Amino acid sequence: DVKVTQSSRYLVKRTGEKVFLECVQDMDHENMFWYRQDPGLGLRLIYFSYDVKMKEKGDIPEGYSVSREKKERFSLILESASTNQTSMYLCASSSLTGSGANVLTFGAGSRLTVL
Amino acid sequence: AQKITQTQPGMFVQEKEAVTLDCTYDTSDPSYGLFWYKQPSSGEMIFLIYQGSYDQQNATEGRYSLNFQKARKSANLVISASQLGDSAMYFCAMREDLFTGTASKLTFGTGTRLQVTL
Repeated sequence: DVKVTQSSRYLVKRTGEKVFLECVQDMDHENMFWYRQDPGLGLRLIYFSYDVKMKEKGDIPEGYSVSREKKERFSLILESASTNQTSMYLCASSSLTGSGANVLTFGAGSRLTVL
Repeated sequence: AQKITQTQPGMFVQEKEAVTLDCTYDTSDPSYGLFWYKQPSSGEMIFLIYQGSYDQQNATEGRYSLNFQKARKSANLVISASQLGDSAMYFCAMREDLFTGTASKLTFGTGTRLQVTL
């Protein structure tokens, strides 16, 4: 069963800590994405990557960075966590095709609480 | 301006009834795609249905159909014969620049929480 795996389902961190959220996909997908989900705001794109070592900012990149050293792994980094980064983080991947129906496959999410 | 608007924060429907979840979108791109995802309480996003802007027919997938009205820029999800397991959050999403974009990033709406009752 193909999947996107997020390493931590629940995390609790303190303000100012450096936080790593890891995501691994086994579908050989070129594209990978990090979204955050907040009640009433839906999903908002933080960063995405369409190739190894390539990254592009999404709609809300401030306070975040990403790393993609291997095709299957896409990490989200909070350099200095703040309470307003308490959220659900969703990783997704998709293949690089010209087809419009290019479905994103999501992981189960990582719920981060920053105290 | 919001690219995807879902005006119904919550909906109730009785089991076995049909329900329509609204979605309107805003784009000037002639080539775009519209998606619906379901998110149960477990948290994982599940793809339901897709409609391309050039598709002539409305998309259908089992009990799901997409009522695509291009001139009105609406892409409503219709669930027929609701089941208790349909209780979940539903998100409408759009991908623009279908054939030239380097990554299939989606813009999501705020979601509609559907509760199916007995």
